[in-house]
Amino acid sequence: DARVTQTPRHKVTEMGQEVTMRCQPILGHNTVFWYRQTMMQGLELLAYFRNRAPLDDSGMPKDRFSAEMPDATLATLKIQPSEPRDSAVYFCASGLTLNTEAFFGQGTRLTVV
Amino acid sequence: KQEVTQIPAALSVPEGENLVLNCSFTDSAIYNLQWFRQDPGKGLTSLLLIQSSQREQTSGRLNASLDKSSGRSTLYIAASQPGDSATYLCAVRPSLGTASKLTFGTGTRLQVTL
Repeated sequence: DARVTQTPRHKVTEMGQEVTMRCQPILGHNTVFWYRQTMMQGLELLAYFRNRAPLDDSGMPKDRFSAEMPDATLATLKIQPSEPRDSAVYFCASGLTLNTEAFFGQGTRLTVV
Repeated sequence: KQEVTQIPAALSVPEGENLVLNCSFTDSAIYNLQWFRQDPGKGLTSLLLIQSSQREQTSGRLNASLDKSSGRSTLYIAASQPGDSATYLCAVRPSLGTASKLTFGTGTRLQVTL
């Protein structure tokens, strides 16, 4: 059962703390996307990778967010320091290529208090 | 800048009805369009992917159409069931050669009642 796996599913943290979210893309998919979903903004693209190389991270606040792919089976999104306005659901998605069907994980619901 | 609009924002129909969800986009230079459903507190499930060269795609009771020139897509759900209750999102991907960003609509929240 191929699917995108995200951990943790829920995270509550205090303002100023570092948060790391993880994603395991579907095996064989060479494209990974990070999205953030809020009630106000809907779904926004934060960053995406192809073959582990970052192609576009213009959607991320660079001063506090960073995205990496240490290997083909793991993508990470870090926030340091976290702020209450970062509270949202963060989704990872993967695809065979940049323009084929994207498959989403279940998301990490982040609450920063 | 691409903008994607979905109308209505919410829809309630009795079980068994056929229904149409609408999606419109401002820039017709798209590579493909994807329809998703999202259940409360869950991730997105891909329903249909329709390429810019296609007019429609079908999967079971779902049929998606695309009129690229007019910037519109519709998702037709036949014989709706309570299990179809969810938020339906459409997303467009720009043409090749530009950043491969899915731009999402804000969704239509569908409730199918018994």
